[in-house]
Amino acid sequence: NAGVTQTPKFRVLKTGQSMTLLCAQDMNHEYMYWYRQDPGMGLRLIHYSVGEGTTAKGEVPDGYNVSRLKKQNFLLGLESAAPSQTSVYFCASSYSRDRRNEKLFFGSGTQLSVL
Amino acid sequence: GENVEQHPSTLSVQEGDSAVIKCTYSDSASNYFPWYKQELGKGPQLIIDIRSNVGEKKDQRIAVTLNKTAKHFSLHITETQPEDSAVYFCAASPWGNAGNMLTFGGGTRLMVKP
Repeated sequence: NAGVTQTPKFRVLKTGQSMTLLCAQDMNHEYMYWYRQDPGMGLRLIHYSVGEGTTAKGEVPDGYNVSRLKKQNFLLGLESAAPSQTSVYFCASSYSRDRRNEKLFFGSGTQLSVL
Repeated sequence: GENVEQHPSTLSVQEGDSAVIKCTYSDSASNYFPWYKQELGKGPQLIIDIRSNVGEKKDQRIAVTLNKTAKHFSLHITETQPEDSAVYFCAASPWGNAGNMLTFGGGTRLMVKP
């Protein structure tokens, strides 16, 4: 099993450009998440999904959109990138809460720089 | 919403010494407290977690303690080794909150000197 796979690993954008980050998991997890990691601020939740076809806003959703068309994939989109979105982005997945398994499985991250 | 404060932000210890990282949380409804370890260039990995119905949990050299009254919890690493060097994150979450909405602390960079 590959676990959680993120693509791309690195990307440099110019202000105003758009891009999509792809997350794929092969563990049949119900829940998927997108976090951003900034120095000294820990991990902050951008958007999450509790199942195929559903998405919800997290703590810092502005400037991002997401889609969960297939259970195994969770896409994060930046429509018009801004320098404030320079960060490391992590995707994670977990079993549903009903199974009382809270463990998050993280991907290896995407380093995004917006110039 | 929940607010999690983590201290210290950096910690340097000699190999073999103990390391302690402390976190405080604000929401009394939080009842799940995991700790994640992030090695350089990798995503965080769960190393230990505790629920509010217990005060302490151990796993080999790692232990976590929880004080619900004071709303703080701590990670204890004994007999530190160079491979313990990493960034550690605490987090808190209330049960029943859809989407396992963990709130993370700011992280602690632990450096174990040989």
